[in-house]
Amino acid sequence: GNSVTQMEGPVTLSEEAFLTINCTYTATGYPSLFWYVQYPGEGLQLLLKATKADDKGSNKGFEATYRKETTSFHLEKGSVQVSDSAVYFCALSAGGTSYGKLTFGQGTILTVHP
Amino acid sequence: SQTIHQWPATLVQPVGSPLSLECTVEGTSNPNLYWYRQAAGRGLQLLFYSVGIGQISSEVPQNLSASRPQDRQFILSSKKLLLSDSGFYLCAWSEHSNRDNTIYFGEGSWLTVV
Repeated sequence: GNSVTQMEGPVTLSEEAFLTINCTYTATGYPSLFWYVQYPGEGLQLLLKATKADDKGSNKGFEATYRKETTSFHLEKGSVQVSDSAVYFCALSAGGTSYGKLTFGQGTILTVHP
Repeated sequence: SQTIHQWPATLVQPVGSPLSLECTVEGTSNPNLYWYRQAAGRGLQLLFYSVGIGQISSEVPQNLSASRPQDRQFILSSKKLLLSDSGFYLCAWSEHSNRDNTIYFGEGSWLTVV
């Protein structure tokens, strides 16, 4: 079956530090990959996505590249802000008859201090 | 543009009482609809999905049920709540064609069973 593994958190950084959150996946076929962000007390927001190998998704200074050879989709940001404090979820959708159902990682809590 | 709303945002219910969470989507037709649950300290789990009116698929055996009485309305119900039903419930939608497998989430509903 499909699975997503994220680096365990929580991750604590100082403002302007570099961020990497690792994500690897197992899936049959050619999944689409996503990063969602959940701010305290809120629902999930789509942060970025990539639908095929070597695609790079980017948004709000965050980036992730779909690496089929290493089955990875690591999230990066060059300079984090306090407002980036949230829970980050890596997810995949296998498409086809899966009707777009998402398989999520466990989430990584990010806390950024001033 | 498309929007998704779910309500109520929070509720506290006694064990054994019924539950009804409602979700509606605007700005699209014949969407795929989903209910996910996020238990405390855990990732997201798909509970139900629907590809059309009256068509419901359950992903996990549980105390809950779902219904889709109208094209853009999705309801999560229970006849008798259990303590273990507590959690954060998220409604979501995707385009029926699902070409890019992207799923969009509502604001979420916090359920505490006491």
